[in-house]
Amino acid sequence: SQQGEEDPQALSIQEGENATMNCSYKTSINNLQWYRQNSGRGLVHLILIRSNEREKHSGRLRVTLDTSKKSSSLLITASRAADTASYFCATDAPPNYGQNFVFGPGTRLSVLP
Amino acid sequence: DTAVSQTPKYLVTQMGNDKSIKCEQNLGHDTMYWYKQDSKKFLKIMFSYNNKELIINETVPNRFSPKSPDKAHLNLHINSLELGDSAVYFCASSQEVITPYNEQFFGPGTRLTVL
Repeated sequence: SQQGEEDPQALSIQEGENATMNCSYKTSINNLQWYRQNSGRGLVHLILIRSNEREKHSGRLRVTLDTSKKSSSLLITASRAADTASYFCATDAPPNYGQNFVFGPGTRLSVLP
Repeated sequence: DTAVSQTPKYLVTQMGNDKSIKCEQNLGHDTMYWYKQDSKKFLKIMFSYNNKELIINETVPNRFSPKSPDKAHLNLHINSLELGDSAVYFCASSQEVITPYNEQFFGPGTRLTVL
């Protein structure tokens, strides 16, 4: 299975609610990144959290990282219809751990007006 | 002022043909990448070049040959196209490779359909 796997695969919420997506990975990492992809578009970098960080904020985004559980979560607060997109986590592993920049299959978020 | 651009955006071709996808970045980055996103949305790295040198070459058929004429360009040439090559191909760039903190900037993608 993939190095990074997001959970849930799909999430549907009402505007104004919070959305939480999780990512699990297998090997040690240098950092973990979250990206957003709007339908039919390229990926946009949202936030990067380093392996020695536990929490990071950027606007309405909050990312946590638990290296002991090899997991990360992305929280979007006060969601808007414009947040509708697929969200991917990507891990950047040290070279001797094999694949770098491995993306999970993504969580498809739908924010309903 | 597009940061990472790819051409073409859509490419429809017959099996067996040879095609190229071009990528250019104007960010002054040292490293460029090619990713393949399949129909299930899995995004897998194919190649990485740093200053025109191949850094990462994942298990990709040798029908795929990247070419980097300079550090601002990384083109992908595909020989003898197969049905399974149908996917969206993304180019990306970042400032450095093999550091803990690089952020990648992605192009808009090229949707390749092999008939």
